[in-house]
Amino acid sequence: SQQGEEDPQALSIQEGENATMNCSYKTSINNLQWYRQNSGRGLVHLILIRSNEREKHSGRLRVTLDTSKKSSSLLITASRAADTASYFCATDSEKLVFGKGTKLTVNP
Amino acid sequence: EAQVTQNPRYLITVTGKKLTVTCSQNMNHEYMSWYRQDPGLGLRQIYYSMNVEVTDKGDVPEGYKVSRKEKRNFPLILESPSPNQTSLYFCASSLDSLRGELFFGEGSRLTVL
Repeated sequence: SQQGEEDPQALSIQEGENATMNCSYKTSINNLQWYRQNSGRGLVHLILIRSNEREKHSGRLRVTLDTSKKSSSLLITASRAADTASYFCATDSEKLVFGKGTKLTVNP
Repeated sequence: EAQVTQNPRYLITVTGKKLTVTCSQNMNHEYMSWYRQDPGLGLRQIYYSMNVEVTDKGDVPEGYKVSRKEKRNFPLILESPSPNQTSLYFCASSLDSLRGELFFGEGSRLTVL
């Protein structure tokens, strides 16, 4: 019942650069969430965007949602080495379903 | 501190030896869920619970049991573990519903030999 799919699967950037990750999904949703997971640790909720919202900010994070294209993007600005983690989108239609994640590496 | 606590964090066991992974949350959340995470397969839901004494199957329930006798606890039981249950397991809870913000435990890495 895979719903969201992140792209790219892996991303490597230099500290200070921006990182953009995308999530595409197939069916209509109530909301979309982004989570972060440090290696082998529990997932941490970053941001939730509802289907009637187009953009949301939280600190250095910016999330957009385009329901017509069934896609969302997560932008991390001015990345830091500590942002190195896997990032997952989770889509809520009938239930919450997680994508397989984007592995982000930020090189010092 | 608001948290979801899982135990054990690491476990190596043998095929057929029953084990229980405990999960406890201190946020008075009604909704709790178990996931397993495997390379290339992402996070898959095993079981979930909407409230005390209410549990339901997720996407991969085979080989697992759960119970919800108290609001704060949601143990995952492997009656007869097999090697294909070697995985990283996460418990999660949510205030409003399983569709709201999920709070995750730190994970339990299980190896079945």
